[in-house]
Amino acid sequence: EVQLVESGGGLVQPGGSLRLSCAASGFTFSSYWMNWARQAPGMGLEWVASIHKDGSQKKYMDSVKGRFTISRDNAKNSLYLQMNSLRAEDTAVYYCARDSGFYVAGYWGQGTLVTVSS
Amino acid sequence: QSALTQPRSVSGSPGQSVTISCTGTSSDVGAYNYVSWYQQHPGKAPKLMIYDVSKRPSGVPDRFSGSKSGNTASLTISGLQAEDEADYYCCSFAGDHALGVFGTGTKVTVL
Repeated sequence: EVQLVESGGGLVQPGGSLRLSCAASGFTFSSYWMNWARQAPGMGLEWVASIHKDGSQKKYMDSVKGRFTISRDNAKNSLYLQMNSLRAEDTAVYYCARDSGFYVAGYWGQGTLVTVSS
Repeated sequence: QSALTQPRSVSGSPGQSVTISCTGTSSDVGAYNYVSWYQQHPGKAPKLMIYDVSKRPSGVPDRFSGSKSGNTASLTISGLQAEDEADYYCCSFAGDHALGVFGTGTKVTVL
């Protein structure tokens, strides 16, 4: 059974940092692109970042470029999102998702809430 | 990349059909046959309902169907059921060097 479990969310002050993790199981992790998406309270979905199977390619939404870094450890079946210089507008539930190609995300984690507030 | 445009809400009675539109540009929806649709119930993670414009993943009822014409994709729910009440988001591939783009989301209400 495919499982994606996010962790690392919480309350952080503006300008602070947080590292999200996503533990994957039930599939060959190194065979898939992996993505982070987010959803601000009462708002729609956004793709935040995407990473190639071997980590060689990374893509980011414009508003997080230079502040967020996506990475993965295929030996540990884990996906990460390092978030620096956090802003109030980064407050959202963050989901990791397995990408079968062209943003076909058939599996999602349960989400982890990040709240940026003083 | 701007979000794809969806109606804020659509509604229908049980057994009826509803169609949700998803309008993009010639750089996303119009350029590729890689439009997917996600269903999201409150407090839950999104669920893939349609991919590659019109393909259904295993387990998704055939009441859900997708299509595309030009820069606009559509999701049709036939034989509406109470459990179909949810938010629906379209998503399109937008090229190798860009992230995919979601639609603005549509709330489906079963009257």
